[in-house]
Amino acid sequence: EDKVVQSPLSLVVHEGDTVTLNCSYEVTNFRSLLWYKQEKKAPTFLFMLTSSGIEKKSGRLSSILDKKELFSILNITATQTGDSAVYLCAEKNNAGNMLTFGGGTRLMVKP
Amino acid sequence: EAGVTQFPSHSVIEKGQTVTLRCDPISGHDNLYWYRRVMGKEIKFLLHFVKESKQDESGMPNNRFLAERTGGTYSTLKVQPAELEDSGVYFCASSQVQGPNEKLFFGSGTQLSVL
Repeated sequence: EDKVVQSPLSLVVHEGDTVTLNCSYEVTNFRSLLWYKQEKKAPTFLFMLTSSGIEKKSGRLSSILDKKELFSILNITATQTGDSAVYLCAEKNNAGNMLTFGGGTRLMVKP
Repeated sequence: EAGVTQFPSHSVIEKGQTVTLRCDPISGHDNLYWYRRVMGKEIKFLLHFVKESKQDESGMPNNRFLAERTGGTYSTLKVQPAELEDSGVYFCASSQVQGPNEKLFFGSGTQLSVL
């Protein structure tokens, strides 16, 4: 059974700090790894990663995948209070279309 | 464009009762997924519709859960009879196309509390 583990479970930082969120996975027949942000209710898509070493970037957020070591990181630079959310990592394998989620990292950014 | 909408946002029922959750996907999205998150656990896949057909229902926990998508538009998820362990947040998601670049859009979820 595929498994995704995120760390840390939660994180409290101050505005302006840089954070790194971790996601490791154990997957047979890996296809892609996805990051979502869940602020209040609906998870919203951030990144999809399929290839090792290629950084995906969107504003202050960036993510990279290491398929050899089976992990991904999500970086947020110059954090703002609006970055406070639960960040979810999920993987998809080639056997189907379902996502396997990690438990999430709860990030709180204080003013 | 309207996103994925779910109804109700919160439901509180007693053990043994029946509850029906509804999901309206984004218009034109053939793929519809149900996921749920029970307290303290990860979000888990329940099932996947392509139009009105169940493509994958491997995540359905038991036969107390029945999902339908008549006409290939909105979907319902019925729990009958509900048990305490069914409490959690039930998410619906939809996408336009399957494949490596599939992008899922999630609804806000239905918080189900079984007392």
